[in-house]
Amino acid sequence: GQQLNQSPQSMFIQEGEDVSMNCTSSSIFNTWLWYKQDPGEGPVLLIALYKAGELTSNGRLTAQFGITRKDSFLNISASIPSDVGIYFCAGRHTGANSKLTFGKGITLSVRP
Amino acid sequence: SAVISQKPSRDICQRGTSLTIQCQVDSQVTMMFWYRQQPGQSLTLIATANQGSEATYESGFVIDKFPISRPNLTFSTLTVSNLSPEDSSIYLCSVERTGTDTQYFGPGTRLTVL
Repeated sequence: GQQLNQSPQSMFIQEGEDVSMNCTSSSIFNTWLWYKQDPGEGPVLLIALYKAGELTSNGRLTAQFGITRKDSFLNISASIPSDVGIYFCAGRHTGANSKLTFGKGITLSVRP
Repeated sequence: SAVISQKPSRDICQRGTSLTIQCQVDSQVTMMFWYRQQPGQSLTLIATANQGSEATYESGFVIDKFPISRPNLTFSTLTVSNLSPEDSSIYLCSVERTGTDTQYFGPGTRLTVL
């Protein structure tokens, strides 16, 4: 089935650094969602984007809905150790029965 | 958002047995979903749990293996039947409120099959 592309699979950064993650697709989505999953937990919604070009912040997190509607990025500024986890993007087409399509996730490690 | 609980949080089961997972939401929701997350993988939708009618299953998932109940707007169960080691995964329920395109996830149930 269709998938969203997230790469690389893992990222390693130093505490205090900024990091940017991309999510791309070959098809258009009308909603983009970013989730974070900690070990042993369910995914937690970080940011939801509903319009092309939309830029939304949630604390140190900023995400944008790409103009082409085929991509989105998530920025984390001034990283801290608790930012460690797996970051998933998810996209959704319009339609009452439209389902979420998930990326494979990026595992973020933060070195103190 | 929504407060979602799942029971059990984890279990270890023997091959050939079944496990029923419960999902409870703190308020009424229209849409409830069940996902599987195999070790180190992304989330795969198993089915949409429809209130008052049969669940809608995704390709590769069948009712005999994954029977689902949805007796009301705040509760659903997923049973994983005739367990094999390949069923070892995290099983997650999620909910979506009417008029939003956003899903919220429960904490997951970690199943290990020996």
